[in-house]
Amino acid sequence: GENVEQHPSTLSVQEGDSAVIKCTYSDSASNYFPWYKQELGKRPQLIIDIRSNVGEKKDQRIAVTLNKTAKHFSLHITETQPEDSAVYFCAASPRANNLFFGTGTRLTVIP
Amino acid sequence: DAGITQSPRHKVTETGTPVTLRCHQTENHRYMYWYRQDPGHGLRLIHYSYGVKDTDKGEVSDGYSVSRSKTEDFLLTLESATSSQTSVYFCAISETSEGGELFFGEGSRLTVL
Repeated sequence: GENVEQHPSTLSVQEGDSAVIKCTYSDSASNYFPWYKQELGKRPQLIIDIRSNVGEKKDQRIAVTLNKTAKHFSLHITETQPEDSAVYFCAASPRANNLFFGTGTRLTVIP
Repeated sequence: DAGITQSPRHKVTETGTPVTLRCHQTENHRYMYWYRQDPGHGLRLIHYSYGVKDTDKGEVSDGYSVSRSKTEDFLLTLESATSSQTSVYFCAISETSEGGELFFGEGSRLTVL
C-alpha cells in the first residue's frame, strides 16, 4: 500500500515567519494530495489540495507544491498567525476511497 | 460544518466486550468512512462504504466490522474489544470517491481497559 512520510513532526515559528511541511509518498499511482488541519480537540478539516496534473496551488497565505518525479509535496504557510497553530496532516490517494495520511506535524506559532 | 454526528463521543469498556460506534449524516453523501487516529500514526482507514450494504476494507480492518443499512447511518463494530483498539475514531463522509473533500465527525474516544 501507499506509504506517506511527513516531516517535521513538530515545528515552532515566530509569528509572521513562514512554515514549510514536507511529505513524500511511495505509490506512483497517487494522484490526489490534500492537506488537513486539526486544531486541538477538533475534527480534521481540509485546507488545500492539489491534483497530480498541477505543480502548485495557492490560496491566500497557504500554498502547496507537488513534484511527481521525486514523489514529494509540501505545504507552505506565509505570514503565520497564532491561529495557524494546529496539527497538519498531508495525505495521498492512489485509488478511489483510499486516502493515506502522514503522521502529522504540530505547528506552534509563537506570538 | 457538514451534518455528521458520532455516538457515543466517549466510551470506556473492558477487554472482550462488544462495542458499536454510530455515524449519522444528513448530507445524503454516498461515501462514508471510519478512521482511527493514534499518536505517531496519523489517521488510518478501517473500513469504508460506497453505498447501502456496500462496504470494503481499509488498511487496518482486522478486528472491526461495519454495516450500512441506510444511506445516513454507518456503524463500526468491535466484536471483542482489545486494548490495542483504544483510540479516537473518526467517521467521515464524501460526495465523491476520488479527489473529494472528506468531512469528518467530531470523533469518538474509546478506551478499552
